[in-house]
Amino acid sequence: NAGVTQTPKFQVLKTGQSMTLQCAQDMNHEYMSWYRQDPGMGLRLIHYSVGAGITDQGEVPNGYNVSRSTTEDFPLRLLSAAPSQTSVYFCASKNYRQTNEKLFFGSGTQLSVL
Amino acid sequence: RKEVEQDPGPFNVPEGATVAFNCTYSNSASQSFFWYRQDCRKEPKLLMSVYSSGNEDGRFTAQLNRASQYISLLIRDSKLSDSATYLCVVKADSWGKLQFGAGTQVVVTP
Repeated sequence: NAGVTQTPKFQVLKTGQSMTLQCAQDMNHEYMSWYRQDPGMGLRLIHYSVGAGITDQGEVPNGYNVSRSTTEDFPLRLLSAAPSQTSVYFCASKNYRQTNEKLFFGSGTQLSVL
Repeated sequence: RKEVEQDPGPFNVPEGATVAFNCTYSNSASQSFFWYRQDCRKEPKLLMSVYSSGNEDGRFTAQLNRASQYISLLIRDSKLSDSATYLCVVKADSWGKLQFGAGTQVVVTP
């Protein structure tokens, strides 16, 4: 059981470049989300989805796009990278029917924007 | 003011000792509370939920104080493997959006 698979693990971009962070889960979870983690701050929600075809903005959505064409995949697109987007990104999923709010996280992507 | 605040630490703890730390939250309507554990450069993992009456999971005890709006985590008989950052997580609203604290670092020393 792979759980949540997130790629790449590391990425360096130049300002203005675009890229897509991939996230896939094999647990048939309805809920998927993207967080960023910066030093001294808690994980902040970027975008989330409660099912295929449904996405919504989180706390810090600007500069990012998402889509959810299948239950398994939830890619995060950086449209025009900026140094402020240097961060560690985590994809996470959960079973929406569980009450313990157990999020399953991917292993993270360390992104640097120069 | 941050929604969820934690002392960043580090809390340096001798092996076998007890350590406890708190987390405060600002939204009095918060419904659910959790502790996640994050090892260095790894993904967070759910440690335990926090129930109104308090709860234990082995050497870990979690408490909730709604009146003062804080939750606590106590680790007894600390092990070297307990060294990690502990994230306080609060479910802020009925839609299930979670608010994460920045974490408390615990370092257990031999």
